[in-house]
Order: sequence, then structure tokens, then C-alpha cells
Amino acid sequence: GAVVSQHPSWVICKSGTSVKIECRSLDFQATTMFWYRQFPKQSLMLMATSNEGSKATYEQGVEKDKFLINHASLTLSTLTVTSAHPEDSSFYICVGAGGNRVYGYTFGSGTRLTVV
Amino acid sequence: DAKTTQPNSMESNEEEPVHLPCNHSTISGTDYIHWYRQLPSQGPEYVIHGLTSNVNNRMASLAIAEDRKSSTLILHRATLRDAAVYYCILRDQGGSEKLVFGKGMKLTVNP
Repeated sequence: GAVVSQHPSWVICKSGTSVKIECRSLDFQATTMFWYRQFPKQSLMLMATSNEGSKATYEQGVEKDKFLINHASLTLSTLTVTSAHPEDSSFYICVGAGGNRVYGYTFGSGTRLTVV
Repeated sequence: DAKTTQPNSMESNEEEPVHLPCNHSTISGTDYIHWYRQLPSQGPEYVIHGLTSNVNNRMASLAIAEDRKSSTLILHRATLRDAAVYYCILRDQGGSEKLVFGKGMKLTVNP
């Protein structure tokens, strides 16, 4: 079945550095990739929606210059957290959508980002 | 904003059935009802979805009220691996495709 491979599963970085998270869709083409983040004991909050070959659409309150999203191909989308700070520590999850839109949401396994 | 409401938590016993309710009184005619669950430190996984008719799959059953304003996810025999946060989500096929997550419901399964 459809799989979204998300890497890394966890990362620790120093404050001020940048971190890239990759999501690859396997066995299907993710025409749309959603990026969510989840703080401890909270629900998933949508950060942005990206469509292959076009600029991402960011949700209100999400800084587009801080969270850079690239969706250059139908099988790869990346989220780069630039100049990370401790408050960016969170669980980041990508969700690929393509093909059958009724069912076709495939979640990545998530990336635990800790900024120290 | 999430358009569904669920209890904050439920408890069940292993090997017993458990019914997880969800209210969606403002559901529109084009909204599909989706259920996902999230185990600790993992991304959510798909459980089941439906539109009007009850649905069954290997994981669970989905019972949808006739007026579609509520639905119930049924786990026929709860196992310890079913302990998770369950999310009931409406997905509008005709409009925005994003999934809006509510707070979900934490299911605890007692051995």
C-alpha cells in the first residue's frame, strides 16, 4: 500500500541551526503534501499545504520564512526549520495525498525535533 | 476549526467491544467521516471512513446515524495495541482537502 517515508525520525539540534525533514511518497505520487506539528499532549495543527511545483500555502500564524517547504517532485517534499529555537521543538508530521482523494491520505511516521 | 466533538477519554477492557462516539451535527452532504488513530510518538494511521452507510474493515466498524449527525467507531475486541488517541474527522471532498484535527479521544485498554 501507499507509504510516506519520513526522515529523520528524531533530531536534536543546537539553537540557531537549521534542520531539514524529508518525506518521500512510495508507490504513489503525492500531488499534495500537508505538514503538521504537534506539541506534547496536543492535537495536530496544520502548518502548511504544498502542491507539487508550486509555492506552499501557510496557515495563519506560521512563518513561511522560518518553515521552508519544498515540493519539487511528486515523490519528495521537504520542510526546513531555519534558525531553530527551543520553542520549535515539536513533533512534525507530513501527510501525502494523491490518487483517490477520498481515502488517499498517507501519514509519515513523524519527526521529533528537539532544539537545545 | 474541527467540526467534530468527542469525549476526552474512554476506558475499556481487553477482549471486550468498545464504542467510540463522535458528534458532527454540522456535517454537510459532501462530508466524509474519517477516523484515524495515533499511537504514542507515531504519526496517525487510518482506521476507517464512510459517507452514509455503515462500514466494516479488518480494523473496525463504523456506524453512522441515519441523520449523519453522529457516528460510532466500534472495535469489536479491544486489545492493548488499540490504546491510542482516536480522531474523528470530517473531510469535505468538494472543498478544502486538508484534515482538521480536533483534540481526539484517548482510549485506554485495561488488561
